[in-house]
Amino acid sequence: GDSVTQMEGPVTLSEEAFLTINCTYTATGYPSLFWYVQYPGEGLQLLLKATKADDKGSNKGFEATYRKETTSFHLEKGSVQVSDSAVYFCALSLIQGAQKLVFGQGTRLTINP
Amino acid sequence: EAQVTQNPRYLITVTGKKLTVTCSQNMNHEYMSWYRQDPGLGLRQIYYSMNVEVTDKGDVPEGYKVSRKEKRNFPLILESPSPNQTSLYFCASSLRLPKRSSYNEQFFGPGTRLTVL
Repeated sequence: GDSVTQMEGPVTLSEEAFLTINCTYTATGYPSLFWYVQYPGEGLQLLLKATKADDKGSNKGFEATYRKETTSFHLEKGSVQVSDSAVYFCALSLIQGAQKLVFGQGTRLTINP
Repeated sequence: EAQVTQNPRYLITVTGKKLTVTCSQNMNHEYMSWYRQDPGLGLRQIYYSMNVEVTDKGDVPEGYKVSRKEKRNFPLILESPSPNQTSLYFCASSLRLPKRSSYNEQFFGPGTRLTVL
C-alpha cells in the first residue's frame, strides 16, 4: 500500500546548523507531497508542498524537492533557529482515497542555542 | 479567524464510559476527517466525511463512530472506550477537490489528548 518513511528521530542540532530530514514514499500513481509541522501543544500546520515531479516547495527558509526517480521529498534548511524546534511530518495525498493524507511517523527536531 | 476547533482539549476517562469529542470548522469545508497520533506511527485516519450525511471508514475505524448532520460539525464518538484508544486525536477539514486534482490542504484542529484508564 501507499506509505511514507521518515528518518528516525529525535534530531538535535545547534542553532545555525544545516538541517536535512529524509523522507521517501511508496505510492501508486502520482501523489502530491507535503511537509507538516507541529509546534509544541499545537495542531499540524502545512509547511510546504509539491504537486508534481521536480517541483520545489519552500517556506520559512525550508525547502524540499519532489524527486520522482528516487521517490523522495527531503526537507532541508540552511540555518536552523531555536524556534524551528517541532515535530515534522512528511505526507502524501492521492486522488483516490477521498483526499486522505498518508503520514510518516514524524521526526522530532530540537535546536539548542 | 478561520479555524478548526476541538473540545475538550484534554480528557481522562475510564474504560466503558461513552464520550464524544467535538470538532467544528468555520471555513465552509465539505471534507472533514479524524486522525489519531501515536508515537512511532504518525497520524492514522479514523473516519472521514465528504459532505453532510456522507461518512466512511479510514484506516483504523474500530471502536469509533462519527456523524455529520451539519456541514460545520463532525463529532467523534467512543461508545465504550478502551485503554488502547489512549491517544492524541486531530480533526481536520478541507475543501472538496475537483476531479483529477491531487492537491489538498487540510487544516488541523489543536488536538484532543485522551487517556482511558
